[in-house]
Amino acid sequence: NAGVMQNPRHLVRRRGQEARLRCSPMKGHSHVYWYRQLPEEGLKFMVYLQKENIIDESGMPKERFSAEFPKEGPSILRIQQVVRGDSAAYFCASSPPGQSGTEAFFGQGTRLTVV
Amino acid sequence: AQSVAQPEDQVNVAEGNPLTVKCTYSVSGNPYLFWYVQYPNRGLQFLLKYITGDNLVKGSYGFEAEFNKSQTSFHLKKPSALVSDSALYFCAVRDGGWGTLTFGKGTMLLVSP
Repeated sequence: NAGVMQNPRHLVRRRGQEARLRCSPMKGHSHVYWYRQLPEEGLKFMVYLQKENIIDESGMPKERFSAEFPKEGPSILRIQQVVRGDSAAYFCASSPPGQSGTEAFFGQGTRLTVV
Repeated sequence: AQSVAQPEDQVNVAEGNPLTVKCTYSVSGNPYLFWYVQYPNRGLQFLLKYITGDNLVKGSYGFEAEFNKSQTSFHLKKPSALVSDSALYFCAVRDGGWGTLTFGKGTMLLVSP
């Protein structure tokens, strides 16, 4: 059973470009979470999705950021018109349905650098 | 709202000595508590969790954590540290069995030979 797969591992974008980060959860997992890690700030929750539904997006910036988890395919975190402040490591985690208290499993992260 | 505090940015310990990494939490309901470890340029690896039951929880790599409801703490411990334990450690809390994890800022553990 492969773990949570994120790609790309490293992404460089120029200011104003779009960044697309992909996350394939573990097999059988239908809950996906996105976190952002900035230096000296730990992990900040961004969004919680289930298949075709956004459950909690309270951590998402109001503009330029969006996320989806379609019925088929990976979850996508999309950042439009990137700025230098978007440079960070973005982690995806997944957990299975129907199991209260289970831990989330994390991917290796995508390190976004905006130049 | 739920929150986690890790009061130490860094903990230094000599190899073979016991280690403690501190964590306190705040939730309105029943706390579900987790410890994760992050090695450089890697994702987070799960170490252990407290859901219910015994206050002392044993996890991976010889780590354990003690849940203290009155002090709202969940400190991570290991009887004898290894140099390879050097990493960034995150405490996390979830209010109830579902939903999002809230993480502390992380504590860097440095184990010297």
